[in-house]
Amino acid sequence: NAGVTQTPKFQVLKTGQSMTLQCAQDMNHEYMSWYRQDPGMGLRLIHYSVGAGITDQGEVPNGYNVSRSTTEDFPLRLLSAAPSQTSVYFCASARGTGAGYGYTFGSGTRLTVV
Amino acid sequence: AQKVTQAQTEISVVEKEDVTLDCVYETRDTTYYLFWYKQPPSGELVFLIRRNSFDEQNEISGRYSWNFQKSTSSFNFTITASQVVDSAVYFCALSDRVSGAGSYQLTFGKGTKLSVIP
Repeated sequence: NAGVTQTPKFQVLKTGQSMTLQCAQDMNHEYMSWYRQDPGMGLRLIHYSVGAGITDQGEVPNGYNVSRSTTEDFPLRLLSAAPSQTSVYFCASARGTGAGYGYTFGSGTRLTVV
Repeated sequence: AQKVTQAQTEISVVEKEDVTLDCVYETRDTTYYLFWYKQPPSGELVFLIRRNSFDEQNEISGRYSWNFQKSTSSFNFTITASQVVDSAVYFCALSDRVSGAGSYQLTFGKGTKLSVIP
């Protein structure tokens, strides 16, 4: 199994550009989520989803959009990139409601906004 | 207040020393889960352990051990006889329901950077 696949691995954007970070999982997990990791801040939850058609905001949702049209995919959209969105982004999935089954993380996307 | 506090930002130890990484959490949920993850310099997140709120048994896995104490809301992680390969950032995380119902959210501490010096 591939687990959680994130693409691209690296990306440089200019301020104001838009892009979509892709996340796909092949474990039939109901729960999927996006985190950003900044130096000294740990990982912070951006958005999460407990199933197709259901999404909710996490701790730092501003500037990001998500949708969940299938169980497998959970893309993260930046509509107008800002330098403050320079970060490493991780996608994670889990069984059920994301309780205690354990989270599987992707390998991350390093995004730089100039 | 932070939900997950890792007070130690950075720790350096000499190889073969024992080291304990502290984690204190805060939640109003009665059913919650605690995790430890390792992030080596390569950047991926490696799952180490999961604990539910009803299981306070300590756990040992090789050189790793975990001490869960509900009374002090702590979930500390000890590495015995540390090795250079243990050098990494270690994250403690809490999965709980913000309002005691609904979906769970995973909240991370800010991490502790462990450097093991040969």
